[in-house]
Amino acid sequence: GQQVMQIPQYQHVQEGEDFTTYCNSSTTLSNIQWYKQRPGGHPVFLIQLVKSGEVKKQKRLTFQFGEAKKNSSLHITATQTTDVGTYFCAGPGRGSTLGRLYFGRGTQLTVWP
Amino acid sequence: AAGVIQSPRHLIKEKRETATLKCYPIPRHDTVYWYQQGPGQDPQFLISFYEKMQSDKGSIPDRFSAQQFSDYHSELNMSSLELGDSALYFCASSSRDRGGTEAFFGQGTRLTVV
Repeated sequence: GQQVMQIPQYQHVQEGEDFTTYCNSSTTLSNIQWYKQRPGGHPVFLIQLVKSGEVKKQKRLTFQFGEAKKNSSLHITATQTTDVGTYFCAGPGRGSTLGRLYFGRGTQLTVWP
Repeated sequence: AAGVIQSPRHLIKEKRETATLKCYPIPRHDTVYWYQQGPGQDPQFLISFYEKMQSDKGSIPDRFSAQQFSDYHSELNMSSLELGDSALYFCASSSRDRGGTEAFFGQGTRLTVV
């Protein structure tokens, strides 16, 4: 079945340091989505990447989609305590399972002041 | 803007009891999804509905069933509850007909089976 792997599982950084999480799929993806889940909260959609090699930025967050559309990364520059949470990548299914999302295990980010 | 609404937020049930979780999707969204998230785990897809018809089925136990009603709200019915069913249950909605594939999640129902 379709699998989405994500590393690292945990990342602890000091405020101001950078952070990167990586996502890899066993199959080519039509798109990849990123979600953030704060402790005790629900997944919140951040962004969707569709094109091969696509790079998108949201303030301090940079998202990349690999040329082969099998991997993706999220990079946060100069982390802040508000960045704390778990970041999930998610890829859609195919055909009859197009709507469902296959989530990576997530990277739990801790930022200490 | 209106979000996905789930009720109840918290639910405590005993083993072998039944639970019903409700979800009200964002207005005019045509697709509803149910996900289960265990502690420290990623969300696992259970089932989805497109325009009130079941569109996809994932790792949903036979003890669970779901449906979407004419007003587009959805209910997840869980019977013969087991301790392992304790988890966060999220409902999400999207507008596939408008080309939107991103899912908007509700705040979830935390189910505790004791």
